[in-house]
Amino acid sequence: QSVLTQPPSVSAAPGQKVTISCSGSSSNIGNNYVSWYQQLPGTAPKLLIYDNNKRPSGIPDRFSGSKSGTSATLGITGLQTGDEADYYCGTWDSSLSFVVFGGGTKLTVL
Amino acid sequence: QVQLVQSGAEVKKPGASVKVSCKASGYTFTGYYMHWVRQAPGQGLEWMGWINPNSGGTNYAQKFQGWVTMTRDTSISTAYMELSRLRSDDTAVYYCARAPAYCGGDCYPRYYFDYWGQGTLVTVSS
Repeated sequence: QSVLTQPPSVSAAPGQKVTISCSGSSSNIGNNYVSWYQQLPGTAPKLLIYDNNKRPSGIPDRFSGSKSGTSATLGITGLQTGDEADYYCGTWDSSLSFVVFGGGTKLTVL
Repeated sequence: QVQLVQSGAEVKKPGASVKVSCKASGYTFTGYYMHWVRQAPGQGLEWMGWINPNSGGTNYAQKFQGWVTMTRDTSISTAYMELSRLRSDDTAVYYCARAPAYCGGDCYPRYYFDYWGQGTLVTVSS
């Protein structure tokens, strides 16, 4: 059971937009920065978003992040088949004193 | 370019120890924290702790305290993670992951991971 809650799967057609939610509490998302990672099959995770809504160099602006209260959202526009992957949210939990991740969301581009 | 290259797959018996290495290149090794994250087969990500390569200071998740040891060798820009008393449920891919530091007077780790190693599969089986 993960501390952060994500939907197990989402799907959308190529070219469409999808959002992935990440729900937590005041001890984690509510008071700390959220990051998002993309994990393509058989590869290491890759940073997509940090500090709630910032993109590292090289990440296209099709990927966006937002946070409100104790929830965060990853948005992906202009879906491509290459976006099919598992997506994880993560943050520090001030009560547990460790980094917590969501259980992951599998994105299928139909 | 930044690279984190980890050591190869390991097969260990229950009760044994494993030591995974992570060689960094393309940046100042002592300027960033190194975290370790593991992923059991078909499961999500689990944070294990960090090491400050500059000071050697460590912070382990409570679950791993007493049986994980993180060290570094600054002369070869390499971080190590050793896990002892292995059990079958320690079978996982182990990743090193770099994290920036926030430095005011003192330095503190940030908790996002901008570069990851390729992962090391550790299989624990009798």
